[in-house]
Amino acid sequence: QKEVEQDPGPLSVPEGAIVSLNCTYSNSAFQYFMWYRQYSRKGPELLMYTYSSGNKEDGRFTAQVDKSSKYISLFIRDSQPSDSATYLCAMSDDTNAGKSTFGDGTTLTVKP
Amino acid sequence: DADVTQTPRNRITKTGKRIMLECSQTKGHDRMYWYRQDPGLGLRLIYYSFDVKDINKGEISDGYSVSRQAQAKFSLSLESAIPNQTALYFCATSDLGRPQETQYFGPGTRLLVL
Repeated sequence: QKEVEQDPGPLSVPEGAIVSLNCTYSNSAFQYFMWYRQYSRKGPELLMYTYSSGNKEDGRFTAQVDKSSKYISLFIRDSQPSDSATYLCAMSDDTNAGKSTFGDGTTLTVKP
Repeated sequence: DADVTQTPRNRITKTGKRIMLECSQTKGHDRMYWYRQDPGLGLRLIYYSFDVKDINKGEISDGYSVSRQAQAKFSLSLESAIPNQTALYFCATSDLGRPQETQYFGPGTRLLVL
């Protein structure tokens, strides 16, 4: 079983919809939780990160971490066609020796 | 100019050939990584290096080797290419000393092995 499991998708929504992207994990040592966005034919770019449990908001994006359930989510409000991309969750532990473990990604299409 | 560059961007090669993919970075980061990405399989780590003298195998290192020529350069070699190594390859860097490990990715190299 993988350490990080991500809802596989693909996901297709109309413009303006609220999108929920989700990952579960098994390693309780993970403390940092990241979301990367990857446009077609590009490398992934960091979108948001969260430390430990709680919520973090950045414009239309909200990252949510529930460590008790080992579950993280990324919410996109008022989704736009420009949000169409693959979203990858990633996690790392609380040491400098750690490195990130990535989910497989969820491909999102927002239709005008 | 891009902080993380990869050459070539596209490569077609034949089974059995040895090829090298190169990565350079201007971010001054100590850590560098090589991943491959396949549809439905996400990013899989091939090798990583935390400094010039440190090389570590990732989850799928068989058939690959790497060289860290300098802090800024990390090359991936396919010793004898085979068709199932057809994939998108990404180089990434991150900053040693930051607990929140943000990785910065290059634009990728699309490799086709015939």
